Amino acid sequence: AQSVTQPDIHITVSEGASLELRCNYSYGATPYLFWYVQSPGQGLQLLLKYFSGDTLVQGIKGFEAEFKRSQSSFNLRKPSVHWSDAAEYFCAVGAGQAGTALIFGKGTTLSVSS
Amino acid sequence: DAGVIQSPRHEVTEMGQEVTLRCKPISGHNSLFWYRQTMMRGLELLIYFNNNVPIDDSGMPEDRFSAKMPNASFSTLKIQPSEPRDSAVYFCASSDGQGAQQFFGPGTRLTVL
Repeated sequence: AQSVTQPDIHITVSEGASLELRCNYSYGATPYLFWYVQSPGQGLQLLLKYFSGDTLVQGIKGFEAEFKRSQSSFNLRKPSVHWSDAAEYFCAVGAGQAGTALIFGKGTTLSVSS
Repeated sequence: DAGVIQSPRHEVTEMGQEVTLRCKPISGHNSLFWYRQTMMRGLELLIYFNNNVPIDDSGMPEDRFSAKMPNASFSTLKIQPSEPRDSAVYFCASSDGQGAQQFFGPGTRLTVL
């Protein structure tokens, strides 16, 4: 079955420390992978996406993610976290075709301590 | 571009009442998705449309829920009758098919008393 797993429900990181959010997927075809961020009371905003090519993709707000096919993973990273990064992060996978749905993980809530 | 527009942003109603949520997708996008988000179940896909045609409504919880897309610029999600367990944030998203990236609206927070 197609699925996305985000093993960490909640993570707390000190401001200025590095961050890695884990995402594992199960998908029968070549996956198109996404990370979205949701701030409190807001909709989901796309951070970055992977379709093909370089397996390390850069996104907005200083985030990056690395696609590892052998591990079925697409982990999100940031070298130095800012207090404004506190939010909920969702990993998603899809077929990359027009008019197809995405499968979302349950999300990871990031708290940033000072 | 104004992005995906949802109305109302907040809705409080009493059990048994009809609730209608509205969504205007980004102009030119031909796919529209309705999601429900709760603490317990996370983000769930309810239904999605391609070119105004419903493609997959398997996520619609029960017959009390219905969705329509009469034209490319408008969709509604209706709950009749509403129940307290329907309380959630309902998101609408649209896509133009470019890699299936979805653009989300701000959501409607529904509270059923």
